[in-house]
Amino acid sequence: AQKITQTQPGMFVQEKEAVTLDCTYDTSDPSYGLFWYKQPSSGEMIFLIYQGSYDQQNATEGRYSLNFQKARKSANLVISASQLGDSAMYFCAMRERNFNKFYFGSGTKLNVKP
Amino acid sequence: ETGVTQSPTHLIKTRGQQVTLRCSSQSGHNTVSWYQQALGQGPQFIFQYYREEENGRGNFPPRFSGLQFPNYSSELNVNALELDDSALYLCASSFYRETNTEAFFGQGTRLTVV
Repeated sequence: AQKITQTQPGMFVQEKEAVTLDCTYDTSDPSYGLFWYKQPSSGEMIFLIYQGSYDQQNATEGRYSLNFQKARKSANLVISASQLGDSAMYFCAMRERNFNKFYFGSGTKLNVKP
Repeated sequence: ETGVTQSPTHLIKTRGQQVTLRCSSQSGHNTVSWYQQALGQGPQFIFQYYREEENGRGNFPPRFSGLQFPNYSSELNVNALELDDSALYLCASSFYRETNTEAFFGQGTRLTVV
């Protein structure tokens, strides 16, 4: 089974509007971390936000927030007030306590329209 | 900008050749992981090094090998290159077994096999 599933290959959003990028995950490890990374065309993975499996509150980092629904195993990224510079690939990833590697989803390409 | 540096940034090799990619990790991090990202896909875990030993491996053949040095920098070696090895290779440094810390990624090496 896929560890991380991103079902939106591409998304469009109008500048200054909010957008939600979906992510579901699968793990039996009670301790894990969920991450979102932004990858512009240059290739570098840029860390956006982190949510721990034991965190009670949803993570927020500036314009980024993570809608964590543990029972549903979802970790959606919400970007508020989209900017043209937000156009990029976005990857959801998970790291389990028992093994250090990252599992990545297939990504969502976000296009912000002026 | 992270402290993870990869070299070279771009590389063109012929099928059957060997290649070495290099990564200098973030200061203080003790774990280096390598990922292969084919065009249009999410990164796939190749292997991880901790304390200069391989500490986990993904579904990649033995012709993919690596090293980690005492200063935590790392090399990825690929022998007998195949056309399907063409991809972006990402190096990530992190702390071992710490799920609540991000991994810092380098800008990647784009390998083209012709």
